[in-house]
Amino acid sequence: AQRVTQPEKLLSVFKGAPVELKCNYSYSGSPELFWYVQYSRQRLQLLLRHISRESIKGFTADLNKGETSFHLKKPFAQEEDSAMYYCALSVGFQKLVFGTGTRFLVSP
Amino acid sequence: NAGVTQTPKFRILKIGQSMTLQCTQDMNHNYMYWYRQDPGMGLKLIYYSVGAGITDKGEVPNGYNVSRSTTEDFPLRLELAAPSQTSVYFCASSYPGRHNQPQHFGDGTRLSIL
Repeated sequence: AQRVTQPEKLLSVFKGAPVELKCNYSYSGSPELFWYVQYSRQRLQLLLRHISRESIKGFTADLNKGETSFHLKKPFAQEEDSAMYYCALSVGFQKLVFGTGTRFLVSP
Repeated sequence: NAGVTQTPKFRILKIGQSMTLQCTQDMNHNYMYWYRQDPGMGLKLIYYSVGAGITDKGEVPNGYNVSRSTTEDFPLRLELAAPSQTSVYFCASSYPGRHNQPQHFGDGTRLSIL
């Protein structure tokens, strides 16, 4: 079965705190994973993808096939990071299987 | 460059009415998708298309129909609206690549069935 699990519906931290948004997946094939973000009043957009192995806006995510995880991390949260974050698994024909999302709030 | 454009942004329908949600993209993407998002849930795939004239069902296709006569347009049709179809609908597109390419999303259509 193809499934993406984001266990935290809401994560709230103070500015400057480290960030980890959790994502676990279940997939029998070779996984390709993405993090999408939706800022207030904006459309859903790509944040990063594991194949690129890059850091975007200070965020990184490493695919751990042993733990079937793709957690999103950032050393120091900023207020502008407040948004809805979705982890997604790409399957055949680039279809996406989404997690339920984590609302991430950064307080000053 | 508008990307993916969805119309309308909001709509209220009565039970049993029909309507078409419009989606168009100007990026010459072969792949297009329709998702729905219910409160507290992730997006679920309704239908997708890999090119003009080719469509296939996703996870939750019941109650919907699609067509793909051009590369640019991918309308979603609700024939007999039901309260269970109250949701936010997202259209997306992507370009096929050696590795799975990211999808580009529209702003969404918020649909209420009363």
